[in-house]
Amino acid sequence: GNSVTQMEGPVTLSEEAFLTINCTYTATGYPSLFWYVQYPGEGLQLLLKATKADDKGSNKGFEATYRKETTSFHLEKGSVQVSDSAVYFCALSAPSGGNQFYFGTGTSLTVIP
Amino acid sequence: GAGVSQSPSNKVTEKGKDVELRCDPISGHTALYWYRQSLGQGLEFLIYFQGNSAPDKSGLPSDRFSAERTGGSVSTLTIQRTQQEDSAVYLCASSLQTNTYEQYFGPGTRLTVT
Repeated sequence: GNSVTQMEGPVTLSEEAFLTINCTYTATGYPSLFWYVQYPGEGLQLLLKATKADDKGSNKGFEATYRKETTSFHLEKGSVQVSDSAVYFCALSAPSGGNQFYFGTGTSLTVIP
Repeated sequence: GAGVSQSPSNKVTEKGKDVELRCDPISGHTALYWYRQSLGQGLEFLIYFQGNSAPDKSGLPSDRFSAERTGGSVSTLTIQRTQQEDSAVYLCASSLQTNTYEQYFGPGTRLTVT
């Protein structure tokens, strides 16, 4: 079946620290992978995506590389800001999954000044 | 342009009552998805529509849950005989098509069953 396993939170970092949020997946076929972000009081929005192996998605200083060999899509940012405080969700969409998205449980990030 | 809208934003209901949640997708988006986000848990997929058709209803938690979409636009999620475990935020998303296209999420409806 299809599923996403995401690093447990919450994560608290100081401003300018390096961020990694781990995400691994199980999928039948060739999924597309996504990171969504939910800022406090706001709806979910797409942060970045990758649709095939070795693709790197990037946006707002965040990056994630689609690693088929390790079935991973870890989210990274070199220097976090207070404004990055949010909940981050890893997700996949697989052709065999009936066109639904599978989301991880979310990782809460708090960045302190 | 307008994003995905949902109504009501908050709903408090007594156990055993029926509730209807509404989703207005982005105009022109053919795919529409319903999710449930419970406290401390991730997003649970409920159902999706391609046009007015829902090919897979297996994500609905019980037969008390149903959904419909008319005119390829507005969708309603109905929960009959609500239970306390139905309390959650119900999220709707739409996308241009299914699968790899970005999903745009609405703000959600917070349902509290007392």
